Amino acid sequence: DTTVKQNPRYKLARVGKPVNLICSQTMNHDTMYWYQKKPNQAPKLLLFYYDKILNREADTFEKFQSSRPNNSFCSLYIGSAGLEYSAMYLCASSRGGWLFFGHGTKLSVL
Amino acid sequence: AQSVTQPDARVTVSEGASLQLRCKYSYFGTPYLFWYVQYPRQGLQLLLKYYPGDPVVQGVNGFEAEFSKSNSSFHLRKASVHWSDWAVYFCAVSMNYNQGKLIFGQGTKLSIKP
Repeated sequence: DTTVKQNPRYKLARVGKPVNLICSQTMNHDTMYWYQKKPNQAPKLLLFYYDKILNREADTFEKFQSSRPNNSFCSLYIGSAGLEYSAMYLCASSRGGWLFFGHGTKLSVL
Repeated sequence: AQSVTQPDARVTVSEGASLQLRCKYSYFGTPYLFWYVQYPRQGLQLLLKYYPGDPVVQGVNGFEAEFSKSNSSFHLRKASVHWSDWAVYFCAVSMNYNQGKLIFGQGTKLSIKP
């Protein structure tokens, strides 16, 4: 099974409320990534886990948190959603080879 | 700073016609280059990848791309498009073999005329 699963496919959130997005893979990949994609913009790397080590991009350091309780799961956490967080969130995994992407979770913040 | 530019937001070609999607990159050092495709309602999938070596790389479904250091380009080509190629195509660059840290272009939406 070479798939990356993301739940849910669509998520509605209120401004100021927390948001937690879930990603899983069963390929035993050592690295998992979260990208953000807004309409008409390029996908942008937010953070990634190499094994148990979290690496966050400098410009999104304080906006997103993540956890990886085991090799298969990785979450993306927004403590207080703002309108600017509305986007497609893409999870991916890799093991020295190419990236495998999930379908994405479309987050709408109202 | 590293960047990727896909100058054409939308491209429309007739079925059976040839295709070229353009990609320009700005990068110091040796780039690792990729094309990803996103079919409707699906996640991004790798189409092909370039590592230093032969400048022309072959991908899936008849796609190929050519790396040009002098032009800082990595254009995607296909000799004859099929309606199933209707998708969004993303060019990306990575700074090292750990290709998960990708810098993407904005994507080119390909439409096929019957």
